[in-house]
Amino acid sequence: GEDVEQSLFLSVREGDSSVINCTYTDSSSTYLYWYKQEPGAGLQLLTYIFSNMDMKQDQRLTVLLNKKDKHLSLRIADTQTGDSAIYFCAEKTGGFKTIFGAGTRLFVKA
Amino acid sequence: NAGVTQTPKFRILKIGQSMTLQCTQDMNHNYMYWYRQDPGMGLKLIYYSVGAGITDKGEVPNGYNVSRSTTEDFPLRLELAAPSQTSVYFCASSWSQETQYFGPGTRLLVL
Repeated sequence: GEDVEQSLFLSVREGDSSVINCTYTDSSSTYLYWYKQEPGAGLQLLTYIFSNMDMKQDQRLTVLLNKKDKHLSLRIADTQTGDSAIYFCAEKTGGFKTIFGAGTRLFVKA
Repeated sequence: NAGVTQTPKFRILKIGQSMTLQCTQDMNHNYMYWYRQDPGMGLKLIYYSVGAGITDKGEVPNGYNVSRSTTEDFPLRLELAAPSQTSVYFCASSWSQETQYFGPGTRLLVL
């Protein structure tokens, strides 16, 4: 069935780059998303990529998509303590269905 | 714009009680969604709506009901609360099928 998998934790030092990885199973996905969730808050859309793109850059964020391996990554350059949060990978499949991963908790050490 | 608002923020229910989780959006979005988030899991879609008067089931609709009498409001009803419904509930809305805007969530504990 459809599934999105992410590692649960990532710890980096302030100023380093963070790379959060995600794999998905549905090859018919149209959009792939990265959401950020801060404590006590809802999910905030960070960025998304169309399935026919390989890369998207938005300021400190770089999204890479490898369709062959069904692998999506989010790179955060110059990671700051304010980037500490849970990051969700999600893919939009047919119709209204969006499949979310379990989230990667990013810890940024000062 | 307040965006997507949800009430209450937190609620404790006894088994068998009922309650309504409120969700309102002021962005004139046609699409609205209810998700639940269990610990260590991704979000699961409960119900969604493509416009006033139109609702449909998502992945995990059992034990819930919804209505959409206006564009702004999309309440979620639990009729007979069960411990398995302990979760964090998120409402979301979108203009198109792509970008969803989420509310802050309602944390529900059923004892």
